[in-house]
Amino acid sequence: AQSVTQLDSQVPVFEEAPVELRCNYSSSVSVYLFWYVQYPNQGLQLLLKYLSGSTLVKGINGFEAEFNKSQTSFHLRKPSVHISDTAEYFCAVRTNDYKLSFGAGTTVTVRA
Amino acid sequence: DARVTQTPRHKVTEMGQEVTMRCQPILGHNTVFWYRQTMMQGLELLAYFRNRAPLDDSGMPKDRFSAEMPDATLATLKIQPSEPRDSAVYFCASGPGGNPYEQYFGPGTRLTVT
Repeated sequence: AQSVTQLDSQVPVFEEAPVELRCNYSSSVSVYLFWYVQYPNQGLQLLLKYLSGSTLVKGINGFEAEFNKSQTSFHLRKPSVHISDTAEYFCAVRTNDYKLSFGAGTTVTVRA
Repeated sequence: DARVTQTPRHKVTEMGQEVTMRCQPILGHNTVFWYRQTMMQGLELLAYFRNRAPLDDSGMPKDRFSAEMPDATLATLKIQPSEPRDSAVYFCASGPGGNPYEQYFGPGTRLTVT
């Protein structure tokens, strides 16, 4: 079975500080991994995806993630956060040709 | 700016009533997904359509939920009769046929059943 574990449910961080959101996955099929962001009262928005190729993936809004096959991880990072990055972040893994399995989410709160 | 639209954005109804949620996928997308989000269960896939055909509705309670795509511009999710445990945010997402992993989410319908 394919699944995603987001290791932190809440991450408080100060503005302009770096942030890392941890995601571990299990998958028995070709690994396709995603990070989505959900701003308050909105739907999910794709931040970045790993399908193949370079293990360092750059996304929107200055986020990047690194696929580590040996550690089955896909951690999300941003070197300097803004207040506007306050949101919930979801890691997801493909489970078959169309279905994504989402993690429980990590709430990031950026403080001034 | 192409977006998935959902109506209504909020719905409060009494137990036993029928609820219909609507979704307009992005023009040209041929895959549509319905998700339910709750604090306890997180995001759950309810149904998946490709080219308007339902390919997977295994996540949906069959006795009360139904999902349809009467045409390429409209997807509906109905609950009849509704129950308090159906209270959740329901998201629709669509994707281009060539890349099913790209899912573009709508803003959601927040349903409260009293």
